[in-house]
Amino acid sequence: EVQLVESGGGLVQPGRSLRLSCTPSGFTFGDYAMSWVRRAPGKGLEWVGFIRSKAYGETTEYAASLKGRFTISRDDSKSIAYLQMNSLQSEDTAVYFCIRVQFDWLLSTFYFDYWGQGTLVTVSS
Amino acid sequence: DIQMTQSPSSLSASVGDRVIITCRASQAISNYLAWFQQKPGKAPKSLIYAASSLQSGVPSKFSGSGSGTDFTLTISSLQPEDFATYYCQQYNSYPWTFGQGTKVEIK
Repeated sequence: EVQLVESGGGLVQPGRSLRLSCTPSGFTFGDYAMSWVRRAPGKGLEWVGFIRSKAYGETTEYAASLKGRFTISRDDSKSIAYLQMNSLQSEDTAVYFCIRVQFDWLLSTFYFDYWGQGTLVTVSS
Repeated sequence: DIQMTQSPSSLSASVGDRVIITCRASQAISNYLAWFQQKPGKAPKSLIYAASSLQSGVPSKFSGSGSGTDFTLTISSLQPEDFATYYCQQYNSYPWTFGQGTKVEIK
């Protein structure tokens, strides 16, 4: 059974940094791209970015508004995906979801399949 | 950025009803569209990708259709476990964007 468990959330002061982790099970982590999505209180889902697998160069894509502050990385030897968040602001308060990204060979594109339950990040003084 | 607009924002329905949720993209996205279900406190669940392909393990009461800018998610016979919020998402171009959600409530 595919499972994704996010960790590392909590209360952080504005301007500080936080790193979230995503620990998978039930599949070969290195074969898949991984993504992060967030949902702020009372708002909808917002895509943060994703990282391709090693086979695709571990290249990344980000939402333009977050690029430069947020960085997605992966450690295939540990089977963990990370979301490094710097210069956090109150608007970054959200539940952050880790998602496994599947490759559609027919359309030659990526899409989401399994989601974690999320970890809450609260940015407040 | 491509804007995704869902309608309605919420609906009330009874068990056994057929429910249709629509999603409109601000520009053509071919069939690069997915649907998700989320219940409070639970991980979102992927239902459909490529506009009409069911994710593994998703029951056939869920179906998707559409191409270009207009898409629909249909639940053929609503069951108690289907009361949730549903989101569409385009992955035609970055940034990937979501609809605002449709909350399906019990009538």
